[in-house]
Amino acid sequence: AQSVTQLGSHVSVSEGALVLLRCNYSSSVPPYLFWYVQYPNQGLQLLLKYTSAATLVKGINGFEAEFKKSETSFHLTKPSAHMSDAAEYFCAVSDYSGGSNYKLTFGKGTLLTVNP
Amino acid sequence: NAGVMQNPRHLVRRRGQEARLRCSPMKGHSHVYWYRQLPEEGLKFMVYLQKENIIDESGMPKERFSAEFPKEGPSILRIQQVVRGDSAAYFCASSPLDRVGETQYFGPGTRLLVL
Repeated sequence: AQSVTQLGSHVSVSEGALVLLRCNYSSSVPPYLFWYVQYPNQGLQLLLKYTSAATLVKGINGFEAEFKKSETSFHLTKPSAHMSDAAEYFCAVSDYSGGSNYKLTFGKGTLLTVNP
Repeated sequence: NAGVMQNPRHLVRRRGQEARLRCSPMKGHSHVYWYRQLPEEGLKFMVYLQKENIIDESGMPKERFSAEFPKEGPSILRIQQVVRGDSAAYFCASSPLDRVGETQYFGPGTRLLVL
């Protein structure tokens, strides 16, 4: 089965600094990878997804992620953090194990705080 | 186009009571997933349904939990005889197709507190 590891349960950056959130996956098949953001007491919103079309994926709010097969990684970055980026971020892999169920397997999440 | 709707947003139950969580998928979506988020944990898959069919319930606890997605109306996640360990946020997600890589759109969740 597929799995996802997010290194760092809590990342703190200063406003304007680079944001780097790490995600490593394991998958026995070509993966489909997602980053979601969750603001307090809200649902998950899709930031971006990788579906093999391009290794560098651009998402909403200035975020992007690069798929590196050799490193089994899909790290999320943003050049300059904004206060509004403070939230919890989840990396997920589409866990296809046969049949028609494309359920998502999530990492444990990384809480991003942005300091003024 | 309205997003995925879930109600109630917050639900308080005493031990032994029943909890019913509702999910209305996005218009045109016929695939519904339920996930549970325990404190300081990521989301865990519970069940995948299509209209009138349970496709995969491998993530559901064997007892007390059930789910349905009738031909008409919302999907329901039912928890009988709740215990404190059921306290969590329950999210549903919908997608238009059962295709690998298809985006799942999440509702705002129902936060269940069992006293």
